[in-house]
Formats: sequence, structure tokens, C-alpha cells
Amino acid sequence: EPEVTQTPSHQVTQMGQEVILRCVPISNHLYFYWYRQILGQKVEFLVSFYNNEISEKSEIFDDQFSVERPDGSNFTLKIRSTKLEDSAMYFCASSGTGRGQPQHFGDGTRLSIL
Amino acid sequence: GNSVTQMEGPVTLSEEAFLTINCTYTATGYPSLFWYVQYPGEGLQLLLKATKADDKGSNKGFEATYRKETTSFHLEKGSVQVSDSAVYFCALLSNFGNEKLTFGTGTRLTIIP
Repeated sequence: EPEVTQTPSHQVTQMGQEVILRCVPISNHLYFYWYRQILGQKVEFLVSFYNNEISEKSEIFDDQFSVERPDGSNFTLKIRSTKLEDSAMYFCASSGTGRGQPQHFGDGTRLSIL
Repeated sequence: GNSVTQMEGPVTLSEEAFLTINCTYTATGYPSLFWYVQYPGEGLQLLLKATKADDKGSNKGFEATYRKETTSFHLEKGSVQVSDSAVYFCALLSNFGNEKLTFGTGTRLTIIP
């Protein structure tokens, strides 16, 4: 069964540094998402992306965050200047078109900011 | 706005016990409902879904019925196994062109032999 893949599985970064999290969505999916889960808390929506542009973003997704689909297969999340509170598990997801299509998630990248 | 309220955990059951994890939601229109499962050290896996009222989603012995009259989507399994130990998330997808999933807080389930 096709799956969403994320790299790296764990990223450790100094506060203030830039970090790029990478995702390869399922190949025939057109909608892409990033979510995050701070340890012990609920999964929170960050951003959705369709047709090469952001379709929705949450309050969390401020100017420090950006997303990009640099080629036909990758989907990236960049945090420009990381803060301690950015430490979390970041999940990428993708879905097909049509009402009620489920989102399929990757295994996540654990981001630790020191 | 949309919201999902999920049964507080953690829940600990003996093997072969009956499981219910409650989930209720608030949404306008006709959302789609999902249960995701997160095994230790892994990502979120879709467990089951229902896209309209009275639909029953089922997978791996788990079931949930979309009840519009009570705005609920409770997860059930008749006989749990140790391998079912995981965190279970109820989630809602709006049908108003808003494609983000709204998650409940998650319920940690531990099954003891």
C-alpha cells in the first residue's frame, strides 16, 4: 500500500537555526498538510496546500514557517528561526480529491530544539 | 468552530474485555468522521471512517457508527488484545471546503494480559 514518507525521523537543532522537514506524499494525492503534536498534547493543524499554494493555515503557522513543493514529489516545511516551543512531532499528510477522503499520515519527524 | 471531545484516558483493560472509547463532536453541516491509531513510536494510522449519518466504519474488529442525533462516533471492540495498546484519536473533517482535520485529545489504551 502506498504511504507517506518523512525524513529525517529525528532532528536536533540549536535555537535560532533554520530547519527543513521533508515529506514525500502519496503519488496521486493532490492535497498536502502539516500537523504537529507537542508531547502529550493533541494533534494540531498547521497548514494545507493544494495546487501549489497554501489553502489554509492556522494561527500557529506564522511568518517563521513556510511550505514548498520544490518538485513533483517532495513537500517541505521550513522553520526559519527555531524556538524552544517548536519542539514537537511534525506529521505530514496527504489526501485525494472527493468528499470525505481520509488523510494518510507519515511516521513523523521528531524535532528537538536545544 | 469545529471541535471533537474525546473520552479522557488512560484506559486500562484486561485482554478480551469489551472496549468503548467515547467521541462526540460539534460541527456545522455534514462532516466526515475518523478514528486514527498511534502505536508506540509510530505515526498516525487511519483505523476507520464514516462519511454520513448512520454509516458504520469497521476495521480490525473495531467499529464506530456515525450518530447525527447524538453527534457521536464512539469506538468499540468486542474483545481487545494486547496488540491493541495504543493511543486512539477521534477526528472530524468538515465538508465546507475546509480540508483540515480537527482531532480530539487522544485516549491512551493499555491492554494487560
